[in-house]
Amino acid sequence: GDSVTQMEGPVTLSEEAFLTINCTYTATGYPSLFWYVQYPGEGLQLLLKATKADDKGSNKGFEATYRKETTSFHLEKGSVQVSDSAVYFCALSEGGSQGNLIFGKGTKLSVKP
Amino acid sequence: NAGVTQTPKFRILKIGQSMTLQCAQDMNHNYMYWYRQDPGMGLKLIYYSVGAGITDKGEVPNGYNVSRSTTEDFPLRLELAAPSQTSVYFCASSLAGSQPQHFGDGTRLSIL
Repeated sequence: GDSVTQMEGPVTLSEEAFLTINCTYTATGYPSLFWYVQYPGEGLQLLLKATKADDKGSNKGFEATYRKETTSFHLEKGSVQVSDSAVYFCALSEGGSQGNLIFGKGTKLSVKP
Repeated sequence: NAGVTQTPKFRILKIGQSMTLQCAQDMNHNYMYWYRQDPGMGLKLIYYSVGAGITDKGEVPNGYNVSRSTTEDFPLRLELAAPSQTSVYFCASSLAGSQPQHFGDGTRLSIL
């Protein structure tokens, strides 16, 4: 079945450091790909998405490119801030009649001043 | 905008008790979902609904029931609570299956 694998955490960075969180997927069709962020004590929020190969999703300085050839959707940010500390989830959706998301296990990011 | 509202935020149950987790959305979304989030395990789909009167099982439905009598509400029922159901439960909604999902803030449930 479909699955999402993302890098193990936690990840600890200093403010203004470069961030990469790796995400790879397995899917039978052509899924949409998402990154969700969960701040402490809150629900998940959509961070960015890409719906087809070579699409780049971006939001709040974060970017991810849908790479069909490597089945990847790595999350990047050039300069992290303390306020970016959260848990990041990579997810895919085959859409169709269900539309449910398949999530990775999440990567906890802590950014130190 | 209220978005997706879940109640209660916290609850402690004894083994064998029953309860209903409430979920309401005001975005006129057709699709609604219930997930559970266990530590280090991401989210697993319990049940989902593609419209009023229609529900279907997700990956981990055992021990739960749902109903969808209106577009706005999608309650999740635990009939006989078990320690394995200790988790954080998230409700979500989306306009269509291919659209991003909007999440509530979660219900943290402990069963002792």
